[in-house]
Amino acid sequence: AQKITQTQPGMFVQEKEAVTLDCTYDTSDQSYGLFWYKQPSSGEMIFLIYQGSYDEQNATEGRYSLNFQKARKSANLVISASQLGDSAMYFCAMRNYGQNFVFGPGTRLSVLP
Amino acid sequence: NAGVMQNPRHLVRRRGQEARLRCSPMKGHSHVYWYRQLPEEGLKFMVYLQKENIIDESGMPKERFSAEFPKEGPSILRIQQVVRGDSAAYFCASSPILPGQPNNEQFFGPGTRLTVL
Repeated sequence: AQKITQTQPGMFVQEKEAVTLDCTYDTSDQSYGLFWYKQPSSGEMIFLIYQGSYDEQNATEGRYSLNFQKARKSANLVISASQLGDSAMYFCAMRNYGQNFVFGPGTRLSVLP
Repeated sequence: NAGVMQNPRHLVRRRGQEARLRCSPMKGHSHVYWYRQLPEEGLKFMVYLQKENIIDESGMPKERFSAEFPKEGPSILRIQQVVRGDSAAYFCASSPILPGQPNNEQFFGPGTRLTVL
């Protein structure tokens, strides 16, 4: 069965600094996708970034980058130049071929002024 | 192009009543997924539907919960005889292409927050 682990229930970062949110996954499939979503206090789920298991380069989207280490089965999210508006819950998710999303328990990020 | 729509945004029910949650996918999307989020937890998959078909309901509780996605109209998640443990946020997501592709992003609605008194 697929599983996502996020070991940091909460993280603090100073405004304008970079922060890494950890995510490890477990799957026996060769083809899968890894996603990060942001959930602000208003509750909506906002897609941030995607990494495919066969992608050779780490995904980047603006201030977000995904540090993909396939051998370690990790897909950490790096947020550069943190902003106050980045304070939110962050969920790592995975989906395998033909299957549905599996979400991690989330990490609550607080950006300090 | 409107996103995924869910209504109501907030729903309050007393124990034993029925809850009906609606989801209108994005235009052109024919795949709908329902997830449940308990407080301080991640989203848990419940059911995946295409028009008039339930494809995967492995995450649905065996009793009191049902889902449909008719040919016309929104997808409905129905909870009969609600109990306090049903209090949660229920998210709907839609996608445009077959789920067989791992990079198939799902677009989420704003969620319905159900409170059972």
